[in-house]
Amino acid sequence: EVQVVESGGGLGQPGGSLRLSCAASGFTFRDFWMSWVRQAPGQGLECVAKIKDDGTETYYMDSVKGRFTISRDNAKNLLYLEMNSLRAEDTAVYYCARDPHCNAYDIWGQGAMVTVSS
Amino acid sequence: DVVMTQSPLSLPVTLGQPASISCRSSESLEHSDGNTYLTWFQQRPGQSPRRLIYKVSNRDSGVPDRFSGYGSGTDFTLKISRVEAEDVGVYYCMEGTHWPIFGGGTKVEIK
Repeated sequence: EVQVVESGGGLGQPGGSLRLSCAASGFTFRDFWMSWVRQAPGQGLECVAKIKDDGTETYYMDSVKGRFTISRDNAKNLLYLEMNSLRAEDTAVYYCARDPHCNAYDIWGQGAMVTVSS
Repeated sequence: DVVMTQSPLSLPVTLGQPASISCRSSESLEHSDGNTYLTWFQQRPGQSPRRLIYKVSNRDSGVPDRFSGYGSGTDFTLKISRVEAEDVGVYYCMEGTHWPIFGGGTKVEIK
């Protein structure tokens, strides 16, 4: 079965750090761009970061540039999101999504909840 | 940045009746490769988003044929020919030609 499964969410302090992981299975992970998409409580969707299939290119939404880092380990079929300098507005469900081409996300995980609060 | 505007915000529909959702972009979504990367997602209550339609009008495997997408340039539409109870949820359009930007969502509910 083609799937992605997120882990690592939880409670983070303002100014603190959290790391999300996404385990991919059922497809050739190294062939696909991947993204992290988040959804604040009761809100819509926004793409936080994306990474090229070989990991050589990364892109971020403006509000997380310099604070978040997306990376991947193609040998282990894992995608990561390192989140530093956390802010209350980073509170959201974070989804890992597969991108077959031009951001047309076809596979989504169940999401990982991140809450930033003191 | 491209702005994606969906309407209506809320769409109460009678079971068995059609429903249409509009999505407009602030600039053309036609890519230099000739394709238009407009995608529609469904998010049922408590679930992750699910892709329904990609490249304007291509329906995903397993998506009922009552769902159809059309449009070009900056104006796009998702149509449900006969709404069923399982169609309740929020529908999002998303442009993938530039940075991925989602519309604000349209909540479909049963009258």
